[in-house]
Amino acid sequence: AQTVTQSQPEMSVQEAETVTLSCTYDTSESNYYLFWYKQPPSRQMILVIRQEAYKQQNATENRFSVNFQKAAKSFSLKISDSQLGDTAMYFCAPCGGSNYKLTFGKGTLLTVNP
Amino acid sequence: DVKVTQSSRYLVKRTGEKVFLECVQDMDHENMFWYRQDPGLGLRLIYFSYDVKMKEKGDIPEGYSVSREKKERFSLILESASTNQTSMYLCASNSDAADNEQFFGPGTRLTVL
Repeated sequence: AQTVTQSQPEMSVQEAETVTLSCTYDTSESNYYLFWYKQPPSRQMILVIRQEAYKQQNATENRFSVNFQKAAKSFSLKISDSQLGDTAMYFCAPCGGSNYKLTFGKGTLLTVNP
Repeated sequence: DVKVTQSSRYLVKRTGEKVFLECVQDMDHENMFWYRQDPGLGLRLIYFSYDVKMKEKGDIPEGYSVSREKKERFSLILESASTNQTSMYLCASNSDAADNEQFFGPGTRLTVL
């Protein structure tokens, strides 16, 4: 079974600054995907970024990038040039195996301050 | 765009009532999931289905059942609602052929009085 640890229950950052959310996980799978999801207040869960574990290159999506350390089982999310609209709960979720299940961390509540 | 819809955004029920939460996806996804979201606990998987009429228990199936009679629809059933089932319920779906990304519905906030 997979376990996921997000060690920062809450974080805050000033607008335009950079923030990093941490995630560590444990899995017995050899090939898997990892995801960061975002849930804005009272809004729908949406995908932020995905990483394929067999790819060494870190994924990047505009202001969002990951630092994936496979051996350390670490998958952190960096948000550059933070915007007010980035205020949300962020969930780390690895996926593996044949049943396509995700295992979610407990989430990090990020607040971007003006 | 993928769309996952849930029958209600807010629902209030009484203890002991039978409750149905409905989820529909329009992308012909094979897999569908029901999660429960509680503060400080993240998302916990209740049940999932990988095909019509097929289901598997997730991490917290007690007190719940599911039904998948058609590929696009996945229902969560609370046979006899209890106050500890007050929560946010999220439905999601994904495809066997893709990278396992799950697409989520807007959620149903259920209050059991």
